[in-house]
Amino acid sequence: DAGVTQSPTHLIKTRGQQVTLRCSPKSGHDTVSWYQQALGQGPQFIFQYYEEEERQRGNFPDRFSGHQFPNYSSELNVNALLLGDSALYLCASRLLQGLKNTEAFFGQGTRLTVV
Amino acid sequence: GESVGLHLPTLSVQEGDNSIINCAYSNSASDYFIWYKQESGKGPQFIIDIRSNMDKRQGQRVTVLLNKTVKHLSLQIAATQPGDSAVYFCAENMGQAGTALIFGKGTTLSVSS
Repeated sequence: DAGVTQSPTHLIKTRGQQVTLRCSPKSGHDTVSWYQQALGQGPQFIFQYYEEEERQRGNFPDRFSGHQFPNYSSELNVNALLLGDSALYLCASRLLQGLKNTEAFFGQGTRLTVV
Repeated sequence: GESVGLHLPTLSVQEGDNSIINCAYSNSASDYFIWYKQESGKGPQFIIDIRSNMDKRQGQRVTVLLNKTVKHLSLQIAATQPGDSAVYFCAENMGQAGTALIFGKGTTLSVSS
């Protein structure tokens, strides 16, 4: 049973460019969340997708957008990249079973470096 | 500010000792908590969770304790091994199904043999 998979694992982009990160949730999971983790910090919530809609959003600008597909996989898009966007981007999936919180499992992350 | 924090940024123990990692949370509406282990260059790994209607839950070599009165969470690791060396985060869910996890800064556990 594959866990949460993310691609690519590493990425280098130039300021002002756009980037798309991808996530496939754990088998059987229907909810995907994205987190940004700066070096030495805990993950910070970006947004969450359920039933192909953004359900909750953290304190991130509109440059950060996402999408969830019918197969539950998800993309994170970041436009007009800034140096401060350099971080580890994590995807987490869970199953909203009966609308009760269940374990959230994380992928290995995508290390984004903006130069 | 953060609603979840850890008391100590680092903890050093000897192999075989028991480790206790602490976490304080500030949101009384939180009803679900998870402990994660994160090794260098990897994503957070689920260790154990607990709901607010419980005060203790045990896993393999790990125990999580929840004290809602003082909004305190702890992770106990029995017979700590070098492979337990990592950063440990507690995370909370704020009272509504599917809501975001709020993480603290983490505690770095170093185990020497």
